[in-house]
Amino acid sequence: GEEVAQTPKHLVRGEGQKAKLYCAPIKGHSYVFWYQQVLKNEFKFLISFQNENVFDETGMPKERFSAKCLPNSPCSLEIQATKLEDSAVYFCASSQLKGNTEAFFGQGTRLTVV
Amino acid sequence: QKEVEQNSGPLSVPEGAIASLNCTYSDRGSQSFFWYRQYSGKSPELIMFIYSNGDKEDGRFTAQLNKASQYVSLLIRDSQPSDSATYLCAVNNQAGTALIFGKGTTLSVSS
Repeated sequence: GEEVAQTPKHLVRGEGQKAKLYCAPIKGHSYVFWYQQVLKNEFKFLISFQNENVFDETGMPKERFSAKCLPNSPCSLEIQATKLEDSAVYFCASSQLKGNTEAFFGQGTRLTVV
Repeated sequence: QKEVEQNSGPLSVPEGAIASLNCTYSDRGSQSFFWYRQYSGKSPELIMFIYSNGDKEDGRFTAQLNKASQYVSLLIRDSQPSDSATYLCAVNNQAGTALIFGKGTTLSVSS
């Protein structure tokens, strides 16, 4: 598609439940990035993919968070056993070239953990 | 993790004035620099990118880069109320595997 598509737009989970977020990058883009935005402005890098391969996972919390980009499927970000502090907007971005050249963002998924 | 620093503001300017937004970064190996605009409740929108030292102009926007000082700025000429938003400075890491964001500067343009 012509835009990064993220689903769902909103997700509410009770503490301890699993949350799974999806991202379809722009067609032809090889790089996918996940970010967590807490309190409006603090963007935290989580993980990046080059096609289905993990490119950089230095921002991923060691426990509970995992992500995949499989061929012919949307990329996914999964949080096991959610905690209150996981409440945030999770943005996905994609770019065509390495170096984040013109990375385009999806509309985000707002996760609320109650 | 490498740092990207911005003044959080708010920066308030009257309509028609020049707004100047500043950003410093710590990773000397960074090669690509981006300015995103984010309206409240929306996703970031790329407005400028710059790779070389000097100025790059696009309409009312000018990005300035000084790699020796590890400094990048965004000038908005003839500011409009519709420019009121949060401006995020983003810098790629040396490996090119991640964009590191600053905390953003909130700009308010009054009519």
